[in-house]
Amino acid sequence: AQSVTQLDSQVPVFEEAPVELRCNYSSSVSVYLFWYVQYPNQGLQLLLKYLSGSTLVKGINGFEAEFNKSQTSFHLRKPSVHISDTAEYFCAVSDQGSGNTGKLIFGQGTTLQVKP
Amino acid sequence: NAGVMQNPRHLVRRRGQEARLRCSPMKGHSHVYWYRQLPEEGLKFMVYLQKENIIDESGMPKERFSAEFPKEGPSILRIQQVVRGDSAAYFCASSPSHADTQYFGPGTRLTVL
Repeated sequence: AQSVTQLDSQVPVFEEAPVELRCNYSSSVSVYLFWYVQYPNQGLQLLLKYLSGSTLVKGINGFEAEFNKSQTSFHLRKPSVHISDTAEYFCAVSDQGSGNTGKLIFGQGTTLQVKP
Repeated sequence: NAGVMQNPRHLVRRRGQEARLRCSPMKGHSHVYWYRQLPEEGLKFMVYLQKENIIDESGMPKERFSAEFPKEGPSILRIQQVVRGDSAAYFCASSPSHADTQYFGPGTRLTVL
């Protein structure tokens, strides 16, 4: 069975500092990888996704993530955060296999708190 | 192009009542997924539907929960005889195919008194 672990439940950081949100997954098959952001009382918005190809993926709002197959990780990074980046961030995987229904398996989420 | 619509946004029910949550997918999307987010937890997959068919309901509780996606109209997630433990945010997502990006609605926050 697949699982996703987000290693930090909360990450406090000062404005304009760099940030890394960690995500590890376990799966016996190849997967697609996603990062979503959830602002308070809103739905999820896709930040970026890895399907294949280059392991460095660039997304919206200046975020990027790197797929590391040997470490089964997909960490999210931003070189300089803004107050408006304060939100909950979710890492998710989806099975690439022939029986794939596209359902997403989510991590527990990481709350990014950007302080002035 | 309107996004995924969910209504109501907030729903309050007393124990034992029924809750009906609606999801209208994005135009051109025929695949719908339902997820539940319990307090302080991540989202958990519940069910995946295509028009008139349930494809994967492996995440649905065995009792009281059902889902449908009729040929016409929105997808409905129905919870009968609600209990306090059903209090959660329920999100629906739609996509044009099972291998495509899922676009999420704003969610329905169900509170059971």
